[in-house]
Amino acid sequence: EAQVTQNPRYLITVTGKKLTVTCSQNMNHEYMSWYRQDPGLGLRQIYYSMNVEVTDKGDVPEGYKVSRKEKRNFPLILESPSPNQTSLYFCASSLGRATGELFFGEGSRLTVL
Amino acid sequence: QQQVKQSPQSLIVQKGGISIINCAYENTAFDYFPWYQQFPGKGPALLIAIRPDVSEKKEGRFTISFNKSAKQFSLHIMDSQPGDSATYFCAAKRAYSARQLTFGSGTQLTVLP
Repeated sequence: EAQVTQNPRYLITVTGKKLTVTCSQNMNHEYMSWYRQDPGLGLRQIYYSMNVEVTDKGDVPEGYKVSRKEKRNFPLILESPSPNQTSLYFCASSLGRATGELFFGEGSRLTVL
Repeated sequence: QQQVKQSPQSLIVQKGGISIINCAYENTAFDYFPWYQQFPGKGPALLIAIRPDVSEKKEGRFTISFNKSAKQFSLHIMDSQPGDSATYFCAAKRAYSARQLTFGSGTQLTVLP
């Protein structure tokens, strides 16, 4: 089954404790991206990657890091989480940057105390 | 700065009625306008999309109307059903951009039985 898998789905952590949200896709997609969803703000792009070792900032990259060492994986790293990073996070992938059709994971709800 | 403005924030419709969600944009470089549907606990999924060279696209009960001169597009759900209750996001993609989609703020649709 074609899918984008995120882990963990739910996480409560404390300020400053580094965490990683993993994302994996099995569709051999070149393009992967992270979004955060907040009430009234919709989905905002954090980082994206057009291929292995190629990443770039989205609209809200502050406080986040990413890496793309393998085509299927695109982890999101919060080096020192803060309460304003409490949000619902989505990983997405697409065949290429031109398609416009994103396949989303089921989301990771993060709470930073 | 929100480049795609979506309204209303929430919408309640009776079963069998028509649901209408509107979006407006400023950037004339956008060349692809999808709508995504999100059920609780799930990631958004592509519902229907349109390019600016057509004024309307219909897929089953779902229709996108596009007004290029007014820089507006809307989603119409005919014969709305309780199973259509979800959050709907409009989005826009910039031509030749690797950033993929810019999303609206979302509309929570409730269809009453």
